Amino acid sequence: AAGVIQSPRHLIKEKRETATLKCYPIPRHDTVYWYQQGPGQDPQFLISFYEKMQSDKGSIPDRFSAQQFSDYHSELNMSSLELGDSALYFCASRQHGTASYEQYFGPGTRLTVT
Amino acid sequence: EDQVTQSPEALRLQEGESSSLNCSYTVSGLRGLFWYRQDPGKGPEFLFTLYSAGEEKEKERLKATLTKKESFLHITAPKPEDSATYLCAVVFDIGTYKYIFGTGTRLKVLA
Repeated sequence: AAGVIQSPRHLIKEKRETATLKCYPIPRHDTVYWYQQGPGQDPQFLISFYEKMQSDKGSIPDRFSAQQFSDYHSELNMSSLELGDSALYFCASRQHGTASYEQYFGPGTRLTVT
Repeated sequence: EDQVTQSPEALRLQEGESSSLNCSYTVSGLRGLFWYRQDPGKGPEFLFTLYSAGEEKEKERLKATLTKKESFLHITAPKPEDSATYLCAVVFDIGTYKYIFGTGTRLKVLA
């Protein structure tokens, strides 16, 4: 079965640089969630999209922005990177309107800021 | 404030030694509770969804149960390959269905 695809899997950036993370949801899934997971921590919700519209916003810094495109893939844009942005970034998807609420996670992008 | 707490933080078991992991929550209007397994550096892998008190789900050596205030993940006769971090997450907002995660239980099963 097709799963959530994230790219790149690893990314190394320097402070003050920008980064773009991409997420391709499971086919027919129209809702995408982004999470940030620091070392030894649980995933923290950043932002979500449904049908290309932002549906909710969590603890996402103003330096970050995201969008969902017509094919439902999503991109997380991160600017003015800081050392503290080093983390695993997960994308999850689900199909809105179904009876089940579970989200399916991608393998993550490991971002290292030096 | 809505909170999700998992205990213990870490657990070491001998192979075959059954135990339970706990996930307690203070959210009001719970819409669903989810269990995931996460291996180091990988994305959480979906295990179970529980929607109402009294519900139980089973898969191989794992069994998840739900009460009005907490959920248990029972591991029967665990094997070393069950070693992972087990995360629970809850949904209470049916507008966005976003997850609130617990802090996880790191399970190590020794051969």
